[in-house]
Amino acid sequence: AQSVSQHNHHVILSEAASLELGCNYSYGGTVNLFWYVQYPGQHLQLLLKYFSGDPLVKGIKGFEAEFIKSKFSFNLRKPSVQWSDTAEYFCAVRSYNQGGKLIFGQGTELSVKP
Amino acid sequence: DGGITQSPKYLFRKEGQNVTLSCEQNLNHDAMYWYRQDPGQGLRLIYYSQIVNDFQKGDIAEGYSVSREKKESFPLTVTSAQKNPTAFYLCASSNSGGRAGEQFFGPGTRLTVL
Repeated sequence: AQSVSQHNHHVILSEAASLELGCNYSYGGTVNLFWYVQYPGQHLQLLLKYFSGDPLVKGIKGFEAEFIKSKFSFNLRKPSVQWSDTAEYFCAVRSYNQGGKLIFGQGTELSVKP
Repeated sequence: DGGITQSPKYLFRKEGQNVTLSCEQNLNHDAMYWYRQDPGQGLRLIYYSQIVNDFQKGDIAEGYSVSREKKESFPLTVTSAQKNPTAFYLCASSNSGGRAGEQFFGPGTRLTVL
């Protein structure tokens, strides 16, 4: 079945560690890619997005993601995490082959230890 | 302030009762969406509407109903036919067409069936 898959359900890191959260999708054709973050008790908000152009996308709070079309991947990275990055992270894909709907991955809970 | 409001924040319902969740946006967005969020399952699309007086079923529409009589409002009714309604419900909106796809989310309503 076509889907969006996030490899890790729960990641625990110490402050200053590097972060990489995996996201793979199985839709063909043109896609738009997103990472959303949900901080404890807050709205789901957009971290970054890819529509076209440079496959390395920079977002808010030092996050970046790289679109690798051949691997159907859009992994999220941050060189040095902070305690305030503790949140749940969702990858989402908008596939024009799927009527333009946004399909979300299962989410990855990130816990950063001070 | 522009944004999306959802009410109530917490809602308790007895089995067999219908309940309506409110979603209002003042972003002048054409499209609105309802998602259900369950632990470990990410966000799943219930219903969406791309224009006033029109809406489509998402992936898990059974037991839910919606209306879109006004551009700024997209209420969701959880009916007694929904077998497992206890969940966190998120409303979102976006511009339609072009580089659309980025969705803005409300704060959510947590529904508990007693």
